[in-house]
Amino acid sequence: GEDVEQSLFLSVREGDSSVINCTYTDSSSTYLYWYKQEPGAGLQLLTYIFSNMDMKQDQRLTVLLNKKDKHLSLRIADTQTGDSAIYFCAETYSGGSNYKLTFGKGTLLTVNP
Amino acid sequence: NAGVTQTPKFQVLKTGQSMTLQCAQDMNHEYMSWYRQDPGMGLRLIHYSVGAGITDQGEVPNGYNVSRSTTEDFPLRLLSAAPSQTSVYFCASSPLGVSYGYTFGSGTRLTVV
Repeated sequence: GEDVEQSLFLSVREGDSSVINCTYTDSSSTYLYWYKQEPGAGLQLLTYIFSNMDMKQDQRLTVLLNKKDKHLSLRIADTQTGDSAIYFCAETYSGGSNYKLTFGKGTLLTVNP
Repeated sequence: NAGVTQTPKFQVLKTGQSMTLQCAQDMNHEYMSWYRQDPGMGLRLIHYSVGAGITDQGEVPNGYNVSRSTTEDFPLRLLSAAPSQTSVYFCASSPLGVSYGYTFGSGTRLTVV
């Protein structure tokens, strides 16, 4: 079966870079996603990466994918207090269809002024 | 374009009561799903649907029913509420055949006393 794991907490200082890590077990995953959840809100899609890519950059966000180690990371440059949220990693499960996502438990990012 | 709309936002039930959580989307998405979010447990899939008239169970279906009579609506019914069903419930939708991730509703916070 599929599984996605993340560390539960990360604390950084404002202006520093944040790196949130995720590991997954399904070597056949086709798409991997990062979602952001602010307090009291639903999940918002931040970015996604196809499994045939190694890196994707979008403004302050950089996603790195190491397929050999089944490791996905999200780097947030110049982290701001507004980045404080829970970040979820998710993958599609190739044993099902590409609409079924498996989520990690989420990493709570705290940005200290 | 409202996206995914969930009602109500908050609800308190007594043990044994029944209720329906509503979810509607206006994006013509075939896939719709219900998740519950509990501290330390991440998102757990309750039920999902790949189109009108088609539903299936997820990871934690017990105590919940769903139906999908239209593409737009996917209500979640609690048959006899229990304190273990105290949670935040999220509805999510996406097209089939593409993997750009889900669109989430803003959630329903349910407390069963």
